[in-house]
Amino acid sequence: GEDVEQSLFLSVREGDSSVINCTYTDSSSTYLYWYKQEPGAGLQLLTYIFSNMDMKQDQRLTVLLNKKDKHLSLRIADTQTGDSAIYFCAETFSGGYNKLIFGAGTRLAVHP
Amino acid sequence: EAQVTQNPRYLITVTGKKLTVTCSQNMNHEYMSWYRQDPGLGLRQIYYSMNVEVTDKGDVPEGYKVSRKEKRNFPLILESPSPNQTSLYFCASSLGFGDEKLLFGSGTQLSVL
Repeated sequence: GEDVEQSLFLSVREGDSSVINCTYTDSSSTYLYWYKQEPGAGLQLLTYIFSNMDMKQDQRLTVLLNKKDKHLSLRIADTQTGDSAIYFCAETFSGGYNKLIFGAGTRLAVHP
Repeated sequence: EAQVTQNPRYLITVTGKKLTVTCSQNMNHEYMSWYRQDPGLGLRQIYYSMNVEVTDKGDVPEGYKVSRKEKRNFPLILESPSPNQTSLYFCASSLGFGDEKLLFGSGTQLSVL
């Protein structure tokens, strides 16, 4: 069945780079997404990558996709306290249910 | 401003008392969906709608109903809430499925006592 897995917690020092990893199972996913959830808020689409791409860069964010290993990562350069949030990896599910499959979320804590 | 609006933001109720969580979008989106978020489980889809009068079950539809009488509104109905439906609920919409801009509402925290 479909599944998306992420580590649950990551702690980094302010100014360092953060790397959040995700593995997925549906090799026919069209898009893979990263969403950010700040405390008390909804989910904000952070970035996404089309399945025929290997890398996408958007300012401080770099998304890497390894289709062979079904591995997706999000790198945040120069991590700031404002980046503290829960980050969800998600894939489109092609099995006819018209939905996104979400991981459990990685809580990123940024400390001075 | 383009947005998905959910109400209420917080809701405490008792077992068996019917409730409705409203969701409205102002972007003329065809696709709308409801998710619930539980710790350690991420978000799971409850129901979705591809267009007016077209709805279908997601992963966890038991105990929920939806309707899509108008394009902009997609209410979530709990006919007889139970404590295991205590959760954080999100409504989302997009122009069509596969469109990368799936926009989420701010969430409704529901507690069923």
